[in-house]
Amino acid sequence: NAGVTQTPKFRILKIGQSMTLQCTQDMNHNYMYWYRQDPGMGLKLIYYSVGAGITDKGEVPNGYNVSRSTTEDFPLRLELAAPSQTSVYFCASSYSTGTSGTYEQYFGPGTRLTVT
Amino acid sequence: AQKVTQAQTEISVVEKEDVTLDCVYETRDTTYYLFWYKQPPSGELVFLIRRNSFDEQNEISGRYSWNFQKSTSSFNFTITASQVVDSAVYFCALSEVRNTPLVFGKGTRLSVIA
Repeated sequence: NAGVTQTPKFRILKIGQSMTLQCTQDMNHNYMYWYRQDPGMGLKLIYYSVGAGITDKGEVPNGYNVSRSTTEDFPLRLELAAPSQTSVYFCASSYSTGTSGTYEQYFGPGTRLTVT
Repeated sequence: AQKVTQAQTEISVVEKEDVTLDCVYETRDTTYYLFWYKQPPSGELVFLIRRNSFDEQNEISGRYSWNFQKSTSSFNFTITASQVVDSAVYFCALSEVRNTPLVFGKGTRLSVIA
């Protein structure tokens, strides 16, 4: 199994450009997440989804958009890139029934984004 | 609100030493889940353990052990006889049953010197 895959692995954007970070999982997980990791700051949640067609904001959603049209895919869109969005982005997925608790999240390899 | 504190920013030990990574959490829920992840220099995040709030038994997996104490809201991680391959950033994380996204601590960078 591929698990969680992310593309691209690296990207350099100019200020004001737009791009989409792709994320796909093949584990039939209902929950998917996007985090960003800044140096020395741990991971912060950007957006998450509890199933196809349902998304919700996390701690740092400004400047990003998401959609979840299928169980497998959860793309993250940056509309007007800013230097503050320079970070490593991780996509993750997990299974949860909501009442039975939270199972471990499986992470993709990350996308290293630089905005200059 | 949920919060995870890893007070140790960086730890350096000599190979074969034991080392304990501290994790203190805050939550108002009585049902919650605690996790540890490892991030080696290659950058990926590797799941190590999941523990629910009703299970306070300590767990041992090879050289790794975890001590969960609800009375002090702590979930500490001990590596016995550390090895160079243990060098990584280790994250503690918390999830409440009604809010599944994980809240991560800032991580502890462990360097094991040969």
